[in-house]
Amino acid sequence: TQLLEQSPQFLSIQEGENLTVYCNSSSVFSSLQWYRQEPGEGPVLLVTVVTGGEVKKLKRLTFQFGDARKDSSLHITAAQPGDTGLYLCAGSRNAGNMLTFGGGTRLMVKP
Amino acid sequence: GAGVSQSPSNKVTEKGKDVELRCDPISGHTALYWYRQSLGQGLEFLIYFQGNSAPDKSGLPSDRFSAERTGGSVSTLTIQRTQQEDSAVYLCASSLGAGRGTDTQYFGPGTRLTVL
Repeated sequence: TQLLEQSPQFLSIQEGENLTVYCNSSSVFSSLQWYRQEPGEGPVLLVTVVTGGEVKKLKRLTFQFGDARKDSSLHITAAQPGDTGLYLCAGSRNAGNMLTFGGGTRLMVKP
Repeated sequence: GAGVSQSPSNKVTEKGKDVELRCDPISGHTALYWYRQSLGQGLEFLIYFQGNSAPDKSGLPSDRFSAERTGGSVSTLTIQRTQQEDSAVYLCASSLGAGRGTDTQYFGPGTRLTVL
């Protein structure tokens, strides 16, 4: 059983559509991070959220941390083919700094 | 500057053989992590080194897995008597090691291990 449940697992949409990816847990995290991973490469950090209720924007990407710091969402507006990839959420707790990852959302944006 | 590097990029081995995977962290990073990424299990933590402290080995799946970090820099992950279920991408990450949840981890490209 994964501590971080990510949904959906797969998402195939047309260019220009909006989408939201969810990351949920019954545990509290001190911070939550979103990564994007391309084939053959390691995950690359997109954003870190640390405060309950925090919202961060990165161009067309909006990240939100739940008030209780147990869940997060990633919203992409007007998706583009370049957004295609594997999106991973990961939570960090106070003990050490190891990350607990969600199962990932594989996004495909068709032109 | 150079990022995290890992070698080899691909490794094919026979069941029962030992393998060594290498990670070169970013210079100056005191924290180093190993993760494993497989289709069925997603990305899971294996082991964590922080400076000269004893490593956190809580994620190692069995005693066939071990890791060391020499001189606080390069790390080697060793898998003895490999099994087919060990097939996965092994990712290494390093960070400054501030010890806080916001300490950014930078990942290497991974080593794809295939056990025949």
